[in-house]
Amino acid sequence: AQTVTQSQPEMSVQEAETVTLSCTYDTSESNYYLFWYKQPPSRQMILVIRQEAYKQQNATENRFSVNFQKAAKSFSLKISDSQLGDTAMYFCAFVAREYGNKLVFGAGTILRVKS
Amino acid sequence: DTAVSQTPKYLVTQMGNDKSIKCEQNLGHDTMYWYKQDSKKFLKIMFSYNNKELIINETVPNRFSPKSPDKAHLNLHINSLELGDSAVYFCASSLKNIQYFGAGTRLSVL
Repeated sequence: AQTVTQSQPEMSVQEAETVTLSCTYDTSESNYYLFWYKQPPSRQMILVIRQEAYKQQNATENRFSVNFQKAAKSFSLKISDSQLGDTAMYFCAFVAREYGNKLVFGAGTILRVKS
Repeated sequence: DTAVSQTPKYLVTQMGNDKSIKCEQNLGHDTMYWYKQDSKKFLKIMFSYNNKELIINETVPNRFSPKSPDKAHLNLHINSLELGDSAVYFCASSLKNIQYFGAGTRLSVL
């Protein structure tokens, strides 16, 4: 079974500082994709960043970057220069073709950015 | 020009009623999904369709019936609604392993 674990139910960070959200996953597949989705209070699911498992280079999108450790099955999200608009629930998710490309989500981490 | 649109955004109904949620995508994607987000915000796959064919049915009660008239639409019909069906339901579509979500439908069963 594919599982995704987010061990931090809640986190807070001061505006302009850096925060890292943790995620670990379990799979026997070698070809898969990992994602971070953001869900603000509006409840819209917004893709933040994705990583292909076959790529060693960590993905980056502006202020968002990941630390992908394939052997350790770890996929953390770093948010630099945190902004008030980053306040949201963040979900780590996994997808593998062999499982019908369904997204398997972690339980989420609530991030609060304080001014 | 919304990519994945769901209607309605909010649905309040009585136990025992039958209701439908509609989903349409204008991205030209072949695969569409329904996810359920419970009161603890946990998200779980319900169904997946590829080109109108059911691919995933994730042990959902048969009171839930998805219908895909064409590859741009995936509707969710729920019979005999129960209190435990109260949740947010998300439609999504995908291309090359990236899934794009609708805004969600908050279903409240009273």
